[in-house]
Amino acid sequence: DSGVTQTPKHLITATGQRVTLRCSPRSGDLSVYWYQQSLDQGLQFLIQYYNGEERAKGNILERFSAQQFPDLHSELNLSSLELGDSALYFCASGAGGYEQYFGPGTRLTVT
Amino acid sequence: AQTVTQSQPEMSVQEAETVTLSCTYDTSESDYYLFWYKQPPSRQMILVIRQEAYKQQNATENRFSVNFQKAAKSFSLKISDSQLGDAAMYFCAYIAGNTPLVFGKGTRLSVIA
Repeated sequence: DSGVTQTPKHLITATGQRVTLRCSPRSGDLSVYWYQQSLDQGLQFLIQYYNGEERAKGNILERFSAQQFPDLHSELNLSSLELGDSALYFCASGAGGYEQYFGPGTRLTVT
Repeated sequence: AQTVTQSQPEMSVQEAETVTLSCTYDTSESDYYLFWYKQPPSRQMILVIRQEAYKQQNATENRFSVNFQKAAKSFSLKISDSQLGDAAMYFCAYIAGNTPLVFGKGTRLSVIA
C-alpha cells in the first residue's frame, strides 16, 4: 500500500459525459501527479500540482483539467468524453523530490 | 527531449533463475534519477528500485539490483532467484530537475514454474 488513494476504482460512462477522478496523496506529500495509461501503452504524464499550484503540464487535452485543493487532495476532470479516453488514470504523490508513489488507479471505460 | 527505451517487449525466466531487463535513456542532464517500477496484473505501480546518477554504486534491493552505466546511458535491472510473483510489466523511468517522470514502454516478464 503506497498510501495514495484514488476514487473511484472503476468508472463506466458514455461518450460526451463528464467525470471527476479524485486523489488523496500520502501524508506530508505536497506534489500530486496525474498519468494516463491506455491499453498496452506506457504511462503518459498529464499534469503536476505542488501545494495547490500547477507545476508542470504534459500531454493533457484541453477537455481535461485538474486542481489541487488546500487539503492537498486533487481532482482530475475529464469532459466531453470520447471512446479514446478509456484508460487507467493514475495519481502519484511525492514530497517534492524525485520519488513518486502511485495510487491504485481509476479505470475509466467510455462506451 | 528525454527518452527512455526498453528494447525487450517480452522476457521469460525459469523460476529460481536470474533475468536482466534492459533500459537505455537519452539525456543531456548530469543530475537525474532512474527508477524501475513493477506493474503486476493488479495494475498497481510499485516502485522497485531507484538510482541517483551521481552515485557510482549500483543500487540493490533484496533480489533486485541494477547495473548503471552512466557513460553508456544504460540502466538494467537484474532479478535474482526469480519467483512466480515477479511476473509483471516492468517500466524503466527517468526524472531530472523539473521534468516529469518519463517512462519506457515496458517489458512484460513471465516466470515459468
